[in-house]
Amino acid sequence: DAKTTQPPSMDCAEGRAANLPCNHSTISGNEYVYWYRQIHSQGPQYIIHGLKNNETNEMASLIITEDRKSSTLILPHATLRDTAVYYCIVISGTSYDKVIFGPGTSLSVIP
Amino acid sequence: NAGVTQTPKFQVLKTGQSMTLQCAQDMNHEYMSWYRQDPGMGLRLIHYSVGAGITDQGEVPNGYNVSRSTTEDFPLRLLSAAPSQTSVYFCASQGQSFEQYFGPGTRLTVT
Repeated sequence: DAKTTQPPSMDCAEGRAANLPCNHSTISGNEYVYWYRQIHSQGPQYIIHGLKNNETNEMASLIITEDRKSSTLILPHATLRDTAVYYCIVISGTSYDKVIFGPGTSLSVIP
Repeated sequence: NAGVTQTPKFQVLKTGQSMTLQCAQDMNHEYMSWYRQDPGMGLRLIHYSVGAGITDQGEVPNGYNVSRSTTEDFPLRLLSAAPSQTSVYFCASQGQSFEQYFGPGTRLTVT
């Protein structure tokens, strides 16, 4: 079973920040949080990952709470092309493990 | 780098036929996996491999076989196709930071 829970859907106005939450209350010490997105029926695309510190790259920012039980993916200025299903997963970042996806959050960016 | 490639892009089978979905990656990744995605649903793990000669079952392995004779290739075999196997199949490989790289998918219809 997936180790994360996410809201099934969210809307965001174009140009505004999209904040996508993820709960992972059973995360263990060596597990990382990874985010992916899937646009229409394409293959999922890796976005960002983190252990406990906040992370930022050219696509997004990842904020992980101090207790590591939840995280938020932030798309700072959402565009229509960011409309997609966003998946939050938790896996070991130090050894090979099954990678199980949950249903994700369907984000709609509205003009 | 071509990344992860999958062939064919589309396939129609009759019930009871067998076929092999091909997956190849040129990134020298040890970990590879197969997922299926039914319409409007999330990704479900079929089989995965942590290196040549090593495979293991995922969430929905029944009706599928895999083998891993080389690092580059990870074919998925449908032994006797059934309409319930109509789906989009994604292959993925895992990078050094345990991030997944997905192929473009194979759209399979079983009539």
